[in-house]
Amino acid sequence: NAGVTQTPKFRILKIGQSMTLQCTQDMNHNYMYWYRQDPGMGLKLIYYSVGAGITDKGEVPNGYNVSRSTTEDFPLRLELAAPSQTSVYFCASQDRNSNQPQHFGDGTRLSIL
Amino acid sequence: AQSVTQLDSHVSVSEGTPVLLRCNYSSSYSPSLFWYVQHPNKGLQLLLKYTSAATLVKGINGFEAEFKKSETSFHLTKPSAHMSDAAEYFCVVSEEGGGFKTIFGAGTRLFVKA
Repeated sequence: NAGVTQTPKFRILKIGQSMTLQCTQDMNHNYMYWYRQDPGMGLKLIYYSVGAGITDKGEVPNGYNVSRSTTEDFPLRLELAAPSQTSVYFCASQDRNSNQPQHFGDGTRLSIL
Repeated sequence: AQSVTQLDSHVSVSEGTPVLLRCNYSSSYSPSLFWYVQHPNKGLQLLLKYTSAATLVKGINGFEAEFKKSETSFHLTKPSAHMSDAAEYFCVVSEEGGGFKTIFGAGTRLFVKA
């Protein structure tokens, strides 16, 4: 059982470039999340989705976009990369109930130079 | 409103001694509480969860946590630290409805000395 899979694992971008971070889960979970983790910090929620076709902003959505066309996939798009977006990005999924834990991918380490 | 406070940003113990990582929370409703562990360059892994059943919760790798409603605490303990326990630990509170109503603590870095 693969769980939550994120690609790529590492990426270096130049300022102004765009890219999409991929996230897919095979547990048929309704809820999916994107977080960023800056050095020595906890996780900050970027966007989340409660099901296919439904997305909403989290705490730090500026500079990012998401889509949820299927239950399995929840890609995160950076349109104009900025140095402030250098971070580690985690995708997570969760069953419908809040008493269930979130399942995390291994992260994408993104540097913008 | 929900909040989570991990009282120590760093904890250092010697191998074989007890571990205590402290977490206080606030919630308007009966929350679900979780502890996650993050090893270097890895995602977060669930250690244990509390969901209004027994107040003493046992998790993986010998960890346990006690839910104390009167103290609004959910401290993580382990009787004897192992070198492999060195990692970052996150306390998380979640309210009914899931989605955005999940708050992560800032994390506690555990160091284990030989």
